[in-house]
Formats: sequence, C-alpha cells, structure tokens
Amino acid sequence: EVQLAESGGGLVQPRGSLSLSCAASGFTFDSFAMAWVRQTPGKGLEWVSTISGGGVSTYYADSVKGRFTVSRDNSRNMLHLQMNDLRAEDTAVYFCAKENHLSGSYSDSWGQGALVTVSS
Amino acid sequence: DIQMTQSPSTLSASVGDRVTITCRASQSISSWLAWYQQKPGKAPKLLIYEASSLEGGVPSRFSGSGSGTEFTLTISSLQPDDFATYYCQQYHSYSYTFGQGTKLEIK
Repeated sequence: EVQLAESGGGLVQPRGSLSLSCAASGFTFDSFAMAWVRQTPGKGLEWVSTISGGGVSTYYADSVKGRFTVSRDNSRNMLHLQMNDLRAEDTAVYFCAKENHLSGSYSDSWGQGALVTVSS
Repeated sequence: DIQMTQSPSTLSASVGDRVTITCRASQSISSWLAWYQQKPGKAPKLLIYEASSLEGGVPSRFSGSGSGTEFTLTISSLQPDDFATYYCQQYHSYSYTFGQGTKLEIK
C-alpha cells in the first residue's frame, strides 16, 4: 500500500523560509515522479512542482519559481520542498503526491497534507 | 500555461440522479486529463485518468469522456458518498493545471 506522510508545516513570517518533507513507502520510490500540490483554505487545487524519479528534472509553477526548490533523496524515500521568501498567498495545505510515471503524469496517491501559514 | 475551466461551479442533485461535469482546456491536451474527487479535510482521490480510464477500485458509475479541449465526468446514479468536490487536471504540459472545481451538493 502506498503511503505518503508530509511533515514540516507551521507558522512562518512573511519573507521567511520553511522546509516540507514527505516520507514515502509502499512503492519503488525512484521509479516515479513526485509532486507538490497546494490548496488555499476554502479554495481549489494548485500544482506547485514536480521532480522526476531520478531527480534530474524539476518543474515549477510560475507563482513559486525562484523561491521554492524541490528535491528528493531516493536512498531514504524522501521528498522535500524548500520554500523561501514566503508570502501571505503561499498560505495553504501542501500535499505531496506520487505521479504515475518516471517523468511526470497524473497523481495516483496523495498524502494527507501539511498546513503552512504565512503571517506576522 | 493551459487554462482549465470547469462547469458548473456548483451542482445540486439528488440520490439516483445522473450528473455530468464539464472541463474545457484552453488548447488541445489530447487525452491527458485526470479527474479527482475531494471531500472536506481530505486529500484528493484519483477517479479517472487519460480522460476515460477508470482507476482501480473506483465504482463503475463514474465515467469520463472527451479529447482535445472538451471533457466530461459523468456519474450515472448518484450515491450519498458521491457528494463532494470534483476537479479536472491536465497533464499534457507543465504547469499541470487544475480546474477550479465543481461542488456537488445534495438537493
């Protein structure tokens, strides 16, 4: 059974930094791309970033490009999202998701999410 | 970026009804479209991929169709567990954009 568990959420001040992690199990981690998707409270879903299975290729939404960095540690089955220069509009629940292909596809499994609140 | 537009934003229906949700892409995405169901406080759940392929374990009352720029999700006979919010997502090209969601409410 695929399991994804996010950690690292919390309250951070504007222009601050925060790092999210996602522990994965139940599948061959390095064979699948992984994604971060966020959801603003009461609003819809926004794709944030995808990293390929080998970690060589990364993709970002324009809204986070240059501020967020996705990475993965395939030896530990871990996905990370480093978020810098955070803004109020980054406040959201952040989900990690397993994509259905080595180099990106739809998300077939999701974690339960981690809340990030950006506020002074 | 490819824009995804869902309609309606809210849909009121009764148990047993047949309902259809539409998703339109701003440019052709072939069949690279997925549908998700989300309940309050929960993660999204994959229902349909490649526009019409049913994910394992999803009831057969859910079906998807379309290609190019216009897609539909149909629930043939609504069950109480189906009242939720539904999202489409294109994965033809980055950014992998979502529709704004359709909230399915009990009439």
